[in-house]
Amino acid sequence: GDSVTQTEGLVTLTEGLPVMLNCTYQSTYSPFLFWYVQHLNEAPKLLLKSFTDNKRPEHQGFHATLHKSSSSFHLQKSSAQLSDSALYYCALSDLQQGTGSKLSFGKGAKLTVSP
Amino acid sequence: DPKIIQKPKYLVAVTGSEKILICEQYLGHNAMYWYRQSAKKPLEFMFSYSYQKLMDNQTASSRFQPQSSKKNHLDLQITALKPDDSATYFCASSQRTGIQDTQYFGPGTRLLVL
Repeated sequence: GDSVTQTEGLVTLTEGLPVMLNCTYQSTYSPFLFWYVQHLNEAPKLLLKSFTDNKRPEHQGFHATLHKSSSSFHLQKSSAQLSDSALYYCALSDLQQGTGSKLSFGKGAKLTVSP
Repeated sequence: DPKIIQKPKYLVAVTGSEKILICEQYLGHNAMYWYRQSAKKPLEFMFSYSYQKLMDNQTASSRFQPQSSKKNHLDLQITALKPDDSATYFCASSQRTGIQDTQYFGPGTRLLVL
């Protein structure tokens, strides 16, 4: 079945340093990949999603590239900000047999950015 | 204005009781979902609905029953509550059930079963 393996647990960075959260996946079909961000006591919100035409999605300084050869969709940002502190989930969506889509989430990485 | 409303925000229940979690979306979407998030597990898919019809059910227990009275409503009835059911339940919606359709999440209902 589908699965997502991502950097999980606690990730602590100093403000200004680069961010790299890994995400690899297993899927029977050609999936779409998503990064969701969840701030404390809030709902998960879409940060990025993969494109079909190999474009690199970017949002709020974050970017991710879908590499089908390595089944990866790593999240990167060149310079971490204090406001980036949150829980980050990598998620996968692909075609279920006649049942539409569902999101399969990784275990999540809690990013803490300190001054 | 919130586009996805979940009620109540917090819910405390006793073991064995029954509760209904409410979800309404005002995004004009045709697909709705339920996910669960607990301390033990990350975000976990439960159900998907499209045009008020059940599309997928990944919940092993029949104690969890979604109910769709209107196109933009998807409530979740939970019977015979157990302490293990304690979690935050998120409702989500998307325009369609296509794999590239973005799912938007509601604020969640935090359930505590004593």
